Order: sequence, then C-alpha cells, then structure tokens
Amino acid sequence: DAKTTQPTSMDCAEGRAANLPCNHSTISGNEYVYWYRQIHSQGPQYIIHGLKNNETNEMASLIITEDRKSSTLILPHATLRDTAVYYCIVRVEGGGADGLTFGKGTHLIIQP
Amino acid sequence: DTAVSQTPKYLVTQMGNDKSIKCEQNLGHDTMYWYKQDSKKFLKIMFSYNNKELIINETVPNRFSPKSPDKAHLNLHINSLELGDSAVYFCASSQDWGVAGYTFGSGTRLTVV
Repeated sequence: DAKTTQPTSMDCAEGRAANLPCNHSTISGNEYVYWYRQIHSQGPQYIIHGLKNNETNEMASLIITEDRKSSTLILPHATLRDTAVYYCIVRVEGGGADGLTFGKGTHLIIQP
Repeated sequence: DTAVSQTPKYLVTQMGNDKSIKCEQNLGHDTMYWYKQDSKKFLKIMFSYNNKELIINETVPNRFSPKSPDKAHLNLHINSLELGDSAVYFCASSQDWGVAGYTFGSGTRLTVV
C-alpha cells in the first residue's frame, strides 16, 4: 500500500470548515483514498473514500487532486464532537486480508 | 443494538494468567479482525479471519489465538499474559475483505499487572 503523510495536529474553530490534508505521492492507479477517524476511547469510524472524483456524504467531502498525489478531507461545519484523530489510508478496494494500515493520523482539535 | 460488540470493556489481570476477549457482530459480515492499539496509539492488525481463511500477522506471539465458533463471533485468547500485552484491543468486521465497510467495536482495555 502507498504511504501517506499527514500533519500531526490541527486546530479549527467550532462552526468553521475543517480541512485535513493528506499526501500520497506514490499512490497507484487502482488504489483508493480512505478516511477513518477515532474519537477518544472509541473504535475507528469510516468516514469516506474515493478513487479520483470528489466525493461527498453526510459526514464529509473528499477532494482528490487531479494527479491523485494528495487529497483533502473537509468537515464543512466542525463541531466539538469532531475532535478526533483522522487517518488517511491508501489501499486497493477490497484490499485483502492484511487489513487496514493505520499511520499516526492528524489529531484535529475543534476549539469552542 | 451495537453492530460490533466486545466484552469485557476493561480487563485487569496478573502476569501469567490466561484470558479471553469476546467479539460478536450482527452485521452479517463475512470477515472479522483483531487490532491492537498500544500506548503510543498505533493501531496494528493482529488477525484477519473469514470462514475460509485465517491470516495471522507474523509479529503476533503465538500466545495469542483467535477462535471463531461461527461467522458472527471471533474471540481472542491470550495465554501467559505479559506486561507488554497491556493495550486496547479492537475487534472489527467487514464484508469480504472490504475496506470501506470496516466496523469497529468500542475496544477492550487490557491491563496486565
């Protein structure tokens, strides 16, 4: 799986959009970009994934650059409950039995 | 109506003991997993299992063994517990080997004293 690079931590004001970047310059053509988050003391939670088109669901939007070497997860109106560690994972869909590989992620802190 | 449930939520035990953590999923998923999150917060896969295949992460000591009585359950047995086994253990499930469809349990915090 391609490696990803994320900032260690970020702050965002409550009610503002939180933009979380991820670099994945070695991504392969058949690899998807996935985002999960882990709220303190809970298990990781799936947020969104995409291949090359931008994606949106009820939780977030995912913007993937045209060259697919980086992406941004957008939480449009951050709330205090969005404080969590956010993981960007690059993987082929259906991925195989060796599971998800979690990096260090970005600790997003939403400030009141 | 929890999708992936683990018990117990907390487990404190002495070195050398044998313990089990139970996991059940009601999602009808084919594949279940165990992950370990250590004190540095890194999440690492330990086992992947469906009704056909068990994949073991080669770094996992053989004191750890998964047991699956049926498709909805994957329990984790740990023999001769060591201090370094202290961590949070997460169970997860997915349809086939899918990535987007991972659902995690809320974790079991194991403390070995």
